[in-house]
Amino acid sequence: RKEVEQDPGPFNVPEGATVAFNCTYSNSASQSFFWYRQDCRKEPKLLMSVYSSGNEDGRFTAQLNRASQYISLLIRDSKLSDSATYLCVVNRGSGNTGKLIFGQGTTLQVKP
Amino acid sequence: DAGVTQSPTHLIKTRGQQVTLRCSPISGHKSVSWYQQVLGQGPQFIFQYYEKEERGRGNFPDRFSARQFPNYSSELNVNALLLGDSALYLCASSLRYGINEKLFFGSGTQLSVL
Repeated sequence: RKEVEQDPGPFNVPEGATVAFNCTYSNSASQSFFWYRQDCRKEPKLLMSVYSSGNEDGRFTAQLNRASQYISLLIRDSKLSDSATYLCVVNRGSGNTGKLIFGQGTTLQVKP
Repeated sequence: DAGVTQSPTHLIKTRGQQVTLRCSPISGHKSVSWYQQVLGQGPQFIFQYYEKEERGRGNFPDRFSARQFPNYSSELNVNALLLGDSALYLCASSLRYGINEKLFFGSGTQLSVL
């Protein structure tokens, strides 16, 4: 079993739709959580950090459920430019900032 | 300001050869990490260096090695290349070494092993 699991998709949605991605992680010692966005064969870029209290950045809302060990990302009013792969990322902790554990990624395709 | 820069951008090697990939972090960043991304998968952690010392190592064979220089740039070396080493190799830098430090990735080196 992978340490961070995501549905690879693809999720095909029309412009303006609301779409939600979930991911689960297996290591309860995980301490920090992120969503990264990756365009085709380019580098991952940090989209947002994820906190237990939930956090929002414009059309994007991220949520962490530590008890169930899952992380979610909600995108409202989808734009064509949101088409990308969204990577769920966990930092297992022990001060090792570099050792991010990435999920496989979920592909989103927004259609006109 | 320049972001994380990696060289070369593309590389073709044959099985058994050795390769060296280079990374320059964002100015002022002291931590560099290396990741391998195989097509269709998320990046997988290889190494982290901070202040020229290895601070973490992923589940990769000893054919993989790295180092960080006094100017904080880094090299990743892979010996005795296998077909399975074909991947996008990503370098990431961060300002410091800490649990919530954000990583900034370079655009990667695409390695093809024939």
